Amino acid sequence: TQLLEQSPQFLSIQEGENLTVYCNSSSVFSSLQWYRQEPGEGPVLLVTVVTGGEVKKLKRLTFQFGDARKDSSLHITAAQPGDTGLYLCAGQAYSGAGSYQLTFGKGTKLSVIP
Amino acid sequence: KAGVTQTPRYLIKTRGQQVTLSCSPISGHRSVSWYQQTPGQGLQFLFEYFSETQRNKGNFPGRFSGRQFSNSRSEMNVSTLELGDSALYLCASTPGPPAGFNSYEQYFGPGTRLTVT
Repeated sequence: TQLLEQSPQFLSIQEGENLTVYCNSSSVFSSLQWYRQEPGEGPVLLVTVVTGGEVKKLKRLTFQFGDARKDSSLHITAAQPGDTGLYLCAGQAYSGAGSYQLTFGKGTKLSVIP
Repeated sequence: KAGVTQTPRYLIKTRGQQVTLSCSPISGHRSVSWYQQTPGQGLQFLFEYFSETQRNKGNFPGRFSGRQFSNSRSEMNVSTLELGDSALYLCASTPGPPAGFNSYEQYFGPGTRLTVT
């Protein structure tokens, strides 16, 4: 069974601060996806990282995939109240018969206080 | 394109009853996955359907079942409901079949909030 551990579980910061969320596993993944979920809604895909060491930027969000493709981080610069939400990482791994399966971390609940 | 739709959005059932949830994927998407989300366990994979066939299954008891129709719409059923089945049930669609890593990027619906009393 592949597990993804996210840390921290909860994060409450002031507007303008920087933060980093971590996603770690002992398993290797084909790719890793990051989602954000707001209350009452389903998760929304932010980014997919595929290559070990890959860095992707989405405005103030920077995503990195570890060299060994076992871990990832999400860094937010100058957080804003609109960044508030549950951040989920999901690892994609081959499950046989031409199919892949996603394993989700439990998420990091971020609150950005104005 | 319209997003993934799920019905109903909210549901209250009694222990021992059964429930059927419905999901309509994004037009053109052929794969539908179901997840259970609870505060304690997070998002847990239930099963995935592709071209009307169950392709993957998570570690849930046989009370949880699903199916997919020829138009890619999917339903999941939970029989003999237990209090612990209270959760947000999310459906997600992907383009499928695998044509690259982005084929498994999940597009989620808003979920069905099931409360079992």
